[in-house]
Amino acid sequence: DAEITQSPRHKITETGRQVTLACHQTWNHNNMFWYRQDLGHGLRLIHYSYGVQDTNKGEVSDGYSVSRSNTEDLPLTLESAASSQTSVYFCASSRGSAVQFFGPGTRLTVL
Amino acid sequence: QKEVEQDPGPLSVPEGAIVSLNCTYSNSAFQYFMWYRQYSRKGPELLMYTYSSGNKEDGRFTAQVDKSSKYISLFIRDSQPSDSATYLCAMSNFSGGYQKVTFGIGTKLQVIP
Repeated sequence: DAEITQSPRHKITETGRQVTLACHQTWNHNNMFWYRQDLGHGLRLIHYSYGVQDTNKGEVSDGYSVSRSNTEDLPLTLESAASSQTSVYFCASSRGSAVQFFGPGTRLTVL
Repeated sequence: QKEVEQDPGPLSVPEGAIVSLNCTYSNSAFQYFMWYRQYSRKGPELLMYTYSSGNKEDGRFTAQVDKSSKYISLFIRDSQPSDSATYLCAMSNFSGGYQKVTFGIGTKLQVIP
């Protein structure tokens, strides 16, 4: 069955370190998204990609970057982790419409 | 004012009750309307989606969209303890070159046996 996987599922890091969260989907979807979910804010879009070599900033992109070298993967990099980036991160994908399918999430703690 | 408003709850109901979950919105350009279910420490799972107005039914779940009132609802009949989760509404329109999806903050539902 097609799915989205995220790794690691839990990560603890220190302020200032570079962190990369992996997202892999086997839906063969062109569109991929990264969100963060925080209490009181819901899901907020960090970056999105509409295909290989295409990346775009979302509403909360500062301090994050992504790259898309193939259809299946969209890694999210925190260049220099900050305590404000402690959150739960979700990757999602879609074929072309608004309907997105989500991964299981990565719980990141920045100390 | 947020584009999408959703009461965070928590909402507690007895098993077997009919549950009504609602969201209001301000952007009349929204075209797709979705409901996701999120269990604790899991990713959001798509329950239902509709395009434009109308109703959609899937088993015990019914989604309604009233664009004139900018109001969407999810009804759960014969609620079960396994329905205990957070329910997120989501709405979408084409904006700035992409299909922008705006999520509500979620309503936490507890179905008590």
